[in-house]
Amino acid sequence: DPKIIQKPKYLVAVTGSEKILICEQYLGHNAMYWYRQSAKKPLEFMFSYSYQKLMDNQTASSRFQPQSSKKNHLDLQITALKPDDSATYFCASSQDRQGATEVFFGKGTRLTVV
Amino acid sequence: GEKVEQHESTLSVREGDSAVINCTYTDTASSYFPWYKQEAGKGLHFVIDIRSNVDRKQSQRLIVLLDKKAKRFSLHITATQPEDSAIYFCAASPNTDKVVFGTGTRLQVSP
Repeated sequence: DPKIIQKPKYLVAVTGSEKILICEQYLGHNAMYWYRQSAKKPLEFMFSYSYQKLMDNQTASSRFQPQSSKKNHLDLQITALKPDDSATYFCASSQDRQGATEVFFGKGTRLTVV
Repeated sequence: GEKVEQHESTLSVREGDSAVINCTYTDTASSYFPWYKQEAGKGLHFVIDIRSNVDRKQSQRLIVLLDKKAKRFSLHITATQPEDSAIYFCAASPNTDKVVFGTGTRLQVSP
């Protein structure tokens, strides 16, 4: 059974719209992350959260907003979508901070913006 | 900031041969180096890691070597099998909040 659940698996959105990518982890981890993978930039770190607090933000745009309603949830809201946002978005988690322990990845949400 | 370069974008080997994937990093502060495997249509899966207090680590058919002077590390897969075929990512961690990934190496093991 997958321990990191990402919904939806596939998502098609219209340019200018807003979408929320869902992530829940059932590993009891304290830290969660978002990564983005596209043909242009293979695997790009976006955000890290530890105990529901933002630790690092490497996205240049405020259109990307993580939302953590519970310790095991880290959703990603994307507003004013652009075709360049098309990518697979991976949620991940680790027991402790990612530079110290193994990081577990979800299966990803493949977003296509048309 | 840290930059990780993965030198081979693709690698093809015959089943039973060894495969070597090489990576370099730039930040001398990096002390943790994990490797991940991504099979088609799936997320990344941790395979092995090494910390800067050692220069070699082995887990079954996987060997990781670390050369801190040269800022270079490598993954050796011995006695390769078709199920080893995947994209392998190296990564380096300059601090406990950040892991920087390489661009990936597509390994194809042919029977």
